[in-house]
Amino acid sequence: NAGVTQTPKFQVLKTGQSMTLQCAQDMNHNSMYWYRQDPGMGLRLIYYSASEGTTDKGEVPNGYNVSRLNKREFSLRLESAAPSQTSVYFCASSELAGGPIYADTQYFGPGTRLTVL
Amino acid sequence: AQSVAQPEDQVNVAEGNPLTVKCTYSVSGNPYLFWYVQYPNRGLQFLLKYITGDNLVKGSYGFEAEFNKSQTSFHLKKPSALVSDSALYFCAVKGAGSYQLTFGKGTKLSVIP
Repeated sequence: NAGVTQTPKFQVLKTGQSMTLQCAQDMNHNSMYWYRQDPGMGLRLIYYSASEGTTDKGEVPNGYNVSRLNKREFSLRLESAAPSQTSVYFCASSELAGGPIYADTQYFGPGTRLTVL
Repeated sequence: AQSVAQPEDQVNVAEGNPLTVKCTYSVSGNPYLFWYVQYPNRGLQFLLKYITGDNLVKGSYGFEAEFNKSQTSFHLKKPSALVSDSALYFCAVKGAGSYQLTFGKGTKLSVIP
């Protein structure tokens, strides 16, 4: 049981390049999330998927797109990378649908450290 | 809007002493509150959460947290700190009417041998 896995672990891009960050979970969770972590700013939600087939914007969605490929996988795409997107990206998942009446625990992957030059 | 404040960027404590990491929150309605820990170059690990009921919540690795509704606080505590507790700690809140979990900026805990 690997939990939440993310690939790649490290990536360096040039401004304007595109890439996709991959995330998979093997806990049969319904909800999945993408966060970015910047020094002194905590974690900020980029996009989330409350259940398979749905995606919604979080706090900082600009410059990103997501795909919930199936129940296990949730990818984050940068179409045209910018230096402001240099960050550590975390994927997370939770068991229940991320509805407002639930306090389900989110479980995090190890992160992808992205540098945009 | 919901928010979390962790007023201390860093907390230093001697090994064996009790530790407290502070957290206050703002949310509409009843809050769901969480503590996570992050070790260097690792993802976040869940420690504990408050949903309802007993104001004192016990979690992993001997940590506990006390929910105080009147002070809108959810401070993390441990009776006797270990050097291995040194890490970055995040408080997070989710309002009962919100889909999103909002994190504080984190507090770096250093336990000195």
